[in-house]
Amino acid sequence: AQSVTQLGSHVSVSEGALVLLRCNYSSSVPPYLFWYVQYPNQGLQLLLKYTTGATLVKGINGFEAEFKKSETSFHLTKPSAHMSDAAEYFCAVILSGGYNKLIFGAGTRLAVHP
Amino acid sequence: DADVTQTPRNRITKTGKRIMLECSQTKGHDRMYWYRQDPGLGLRLIYYSFDVKDINKGEISDGYSVSRQAQAKFSLSLESAIPNQTALYFCATSDLGGINTGELFFGEGSRLTVL
Repeated sequence: AQSVTQLGSHVSVSEGALVLLRCNYSSSVPPYLFWYVQYPNQGLQLLLKYTTGATLVKGINGFEAEFKKSETSFHLTKPSAHMSDAAEYFCAVILSGGYNKLIFGAGTRLAVHP
Repeated sequence: DADVTQTPRNRITKTGKRIMLECSQTKGHDRMYWYRQDPGLGLRLIYYSFDVKDINKGEISDGYSVSRQAQAKFSLSLESAIPNQTALYFCATSDLGGINTGELFFGEGSRLTVL
């Protein structure tokens, strides 16, 4: 079975501070991993993804994530938070079997204060 | 105009009523999905369809049904709504696998309240 766990349902940072959102997965096969972002009153949009190749992946808006197989982690980071980063972030893993079905984590709400 | 459009955006209904949420897309994708979002639970897959003739149950299909009327249209029905179906519902689409694997395009959501 595959699942994804996001540590911390709420994270608060100061503008300009490092953003670190944690995601751990469990998978019996090499996973495909994703981060999605949901801004208020909007649907989700893809931030970045890891499928194969380079383990450090860069996404939109200055975010990046590193796939660490030994730690079964895919944490999302951004060196300097901006007020516009306030949103809910979802880590997700692809369901094996080639059916392109995503399993989402519970989400982490990021607040950015001045 | 949005690529993935959901109607209605907000609906309040009573227990026992039949409700239909509609989704249409202009992305030309074959694959369409219905998810529900609940606070603290993330998104859970209700149904998915890989083409007009293919409908599959997701994690939480009980109490729901779907219809794929055309490549561009995928409807979700609650035959007899109950309060614990109060949630935010999202329709999503995706292209075939390969390099696009896992990239879903979401509508803006339909907020359903069942009293």
